[in-house]
Amino acid sequence: DVKVTQSSRYLVKRTGEKVFLECVQDMDHENMFWYRQDPGLGLRLIYFSYDVKMKEKGDIPEGYSVSREKKERFSLILESASTNQTSMYLCASSFPTGGGETQYFGPGTRLLVL
Amino acid sequence: GQQVMQIPQYQHVQEGEDFTTYCNSSTTLSNIQWYKQRPGGHPVFLIQLVKSGEVKKQKRLTFQFGEAKKNSSLHITATQTTDVGTYFCAGGRANNLFFGTGTRLTVIP
Repeated sequence: DVKVTQSSRYLVKRTGEKVFLECVQDMDHENMFWYRQDPGLGLRLIYFSYDVKMKEKGDIPEGYSVSREKKERFSLILESASTNQTSMYLCASSFPTGGGETQYFGPGTRLLVL
Repeated sequence: GQQVMQIPQYQHVQEGEDFTTYCNSSTTLSNIQWYKQRPGGHPVFLIQLVKSGEVKKQKRLTFQFGEAKKNSSLHITATQTTDVGTYFCAGGRANNLFFGTGTRLTVIP
């Protein structure tokens, strides 16, 4: 079974703090993704990575950065957290399935920025 | 902008009634995937459709991929309380996956 883990289920931070969200997958997947999920907006892609040290911007990268130093680990960084970054953050990883890529999600981190 | 639209956003049904959610893309997709997210949980992959006009069934769930590969539907027959959650479609194109906004299903016992 694919396992994707995230460092925290719940996190409370103050405006201006630097926030690290960690994601680890144990299936040697090349691809990893960070999404945020907000009511009525579905899943919005923040950043993704196809390989170590590679990163690509998603739909809403502003205010975020990422790091992929090892294949199994993909970190999302909020350099200076703001209240509009309060959200559920979901990490996912995937392998090619021939015509598309099934994504496996972590349990999510619910971040509250005060 | 939103590449894949999904309707309805919310659906409340009486237990035993049927339920359908629809997914539409403005561009041709290479595949369509469906995910289910239980309340408090994370999205879990259900199925993938690749061929034009493809229909797949999983027990009471029927998934369709349109002939033009631009739309898809998920139909649940005789809903049960275990069906509650948010159903997401995700369209694959150019090595990317574009998620719909999801349909939140509530089943009233």
